[in-house]
Amino acid sequence: GAGVSQSPRYKVAKRGQDVALRCDPISGHVSLFWYQQALGQGPEFLTYFQNEAQLDKSGLPSDRFFAERPEGSVSTLKIQRTQQEDSAVYLCASSLTGKSRWGQFFGPGTRLTVL
Amino acid sequence: AQSVSQHNHHVILSEAASLELGCNYSYGGTVNLFWYVQYPGQHLQLLLKYFSGDPLVKGIKGFEAEFIKSKFSFNLRKPSVQWSDTAEYFCAVNPMDSNYQLIWGAGTKLIIKP
Repeated sequence: GAGVSQSPRYKVAKRGQDVALRCDPISGHVSLFWYQQALGQGPEFLTYFQNEAQLDKSGLPSDRFFAERPEGSVSTLKIQRTQQEDSAVYLCASSLTGKSRWGQFFGPGTRLTVL
Repeated sequence: AQSVSQHNHHVILSEAASLELGCNYSYGGTVNLFWYVQYPGQHLQLLLKYFSGDPLVKGIKGFEAEFIKSKFSFNLRKPSVQWSDTAEYFCAVNPMDSNYQLIWGAGTKLIIKP
C-alpha cells in the first residue's frame, strides 16, 4: 500500500484490559511517530522512533503505555490495564527522514473506547 | 512551554466566501510551519508548509498561508471556499531545535454551507 495503515480502526476495551495497536508505515520511511488525539484537540505527541530505536518517549502518559518497532518498520503501541481516560484516537505517522520539516504522513488512526 | 493557538474552533461560511483561519505560536526561535487538513472520514493530510524564503506559501486546492514572523503567526487563507473544503484544519509547528517534534493546535472545524 502507498500510505500509512493502522489496525484495528476501532477498538472497544473494558477497563483493565490490555490493548495492542498496530501501525504499518510507508515503506522506507525512517521515522515513526505515535500521537494521541482526544476529542476536540490536536494530536499530542507520544513517542518517536528512528528505525528501530525509540529516541523519544517523553509523551507517553504513564508506564502503562509501551511502544516498540523491533525491525524498524511495523510498530505496536500497547496499553496495559486500560483506563477510561485512555479513550482517544491513536494516530501513527511516518516520515522519510529524521526531520519533520518534510512533513509527516498519517494513518487513519485507531479509535479506542474504554468502557 | 511551546504552544500553538488556533483562534476559532468552529467556522461556518457560505460557498464563495473568503476564508482566513488564524494560527499563532509561542516559540522565539526559528520554526518550520505546517497546515494539515482532515476531511470527514479521512486521515490527516499535509496542506502546505513553510521552511524559509517567501513568507507567502501556496498549497493544494487553492490554499495559501502567510508567515508573519513579528506576529508569530501563520494564517491560512483561501479567496473563495467550496463545499468540498468542509474539514478540520490543524496548524503545526516544528521548532528548529528539534528535528522531529511537531506541536499542534487544537484544530478549526470549517463547515461550508452549499
